[in-house]
Parts: sequence; structure tokens; C-alpha cells
Amino acid sequence: QVQLQESGPGLVKPSQTLSLTCSVSGGSISSSGYYWSWIRQLPGRGLEYIGYIFYSGSTSYNPSLKSRVSMSQDTSKNQFSLRLTSVTAADTAIYYCVRIVGTIGYFDPWGQGTLVTVSS
Amino acid sequence: SYVLAQPPSVSVAPGQTASITCGGNNLGSKNVHWYQQKPGQAPVLVVYDDSDRPSGIPERFSGSNSGNTATLTISRVEAGDEADYYCQVWDSGSDQVWVWVFGGGTKLTVL
Repeated sequence: QVQLQESGPGLVKPSQTLSLTCSVSGGSISSSGYYWSWIRQLPGRGLEYIGYIFYSGSTSYNPSLKSRVSMSQDTSKNQFSLRLTSVTAADTAIYYCVRIVGTIGYFDPWGQGTLVTVSS
Repeated sequence: SYVLAQPPSVSVAPGQTASITCGGNNLGSKNVHWYQQKPGQAPVLVVYDDSDRPSGIPERFSGSNSGNTATLTISRVEAGDEADYYCQVWDSGSDQVWVWVFGGGTKLTVL
């Protein structure tokens, strides 16, 4: 059973870069057919798709965040990562790493999530 | 960009049936997925591809999708079903960039 776990700083200063890593167990991120994604949940409720990295290393990002987002993977460690630059308080959220099942499919399973607060 | 609309809240008595709607333009042409999120926990998939259930999800959870509205139906509601529910679809957008879109969420209250 695939499990995902986020890790990274819980506090980031404004204008700096948010960096998170997702460790995957129970399955390989190099397996074909799966996309590995990041989703965030802003205070209050809303879920926002950030982007994905495919097993081949190709990436795609939400146009609303594209200018500030990058993703990468380390297949030797079975991990993938998120970088979000020039953060502001509006980027304060719970960040989830999630597997996408199917080419245009659904999110399952989800990591437990990690709260990142942007504050000086 | 594609927009999904959900009612902010739905209330239902234990043992009754809860219906949570998700609206979008020509939504019936897309595959709709539903997630349950309890306080302090990550979302969990409860229905995928309009009406399929992942293993471990009770048969009380069902889904449908037609026209401009998808519906998550929870039969014989239990106190443990109290949670936020989100619908989600995939959209290619005007520039063919793949984007996954979520509804704003519906809080299910069990009276």
C-alpha cells in the first residue's frame, strides 16, 4: 500500500522560498502510469492543485502559480519535491503530496499534510 | 478556468439520506471524484469516476453525474459521516494545460 509523507520547514519568511519533500513508500515513483502531485489547502477550506511531476520527470503546473513553482524528483530516494519562490502570507497553507491515479484521474492516496506558515 | 459550485453546508438527521451537489458547465461530460475530509485529517477518496467506490468505502456512499450536476449521496447517515466533502474534476483549460479543479467544499452536519 502506497504511503506518502511530507517534510520540510513549517515556517518560511516572506519573499523566501518554500521547499518541501515527499517521501513515498510501498511503491516506486518511477512506476509508469502515475503522476505525483502537490495540493494545498488554504485557511478556511479550499483545496488548490499546485502541479505534478510524471515518472519520466516531466512537469506541469497550475497556471495561477506557474511563475513561482518548480518540482523535481530523486528516484534513488523515492522522493519528489516542491519549491515555491517569493512566498507571501497568502501562501500559508497545509501542503499535501498526493498520487494521481490515471492520466486525468483522481487523487489517492494523500499524505498527512504539513502546515507551512509564511511569517517574519 | 473551470468552476465547480457546492453548497456550503448540508444538514441531515442520523439514519436519513444526505445529498451533496456539485455544479459545473456540462459537468456530465467529465469524470467527477469526491473526497471526505474530517477535522485535522487529509482528504480521503470516497467516490471516483462519478459512481465507483474505492475498496473500504461503505456502500452507503454513491454518486451520480448528469447534465450540469453531480451528486454524492450518503444513505443511512451516521455521526461518523460528519465531515467536509469536496468534488473534483480534471480540465484542460483554454491553453491545454492540465488542471485539476476542486469545488469549494460542503460541510455535512449530522443533527
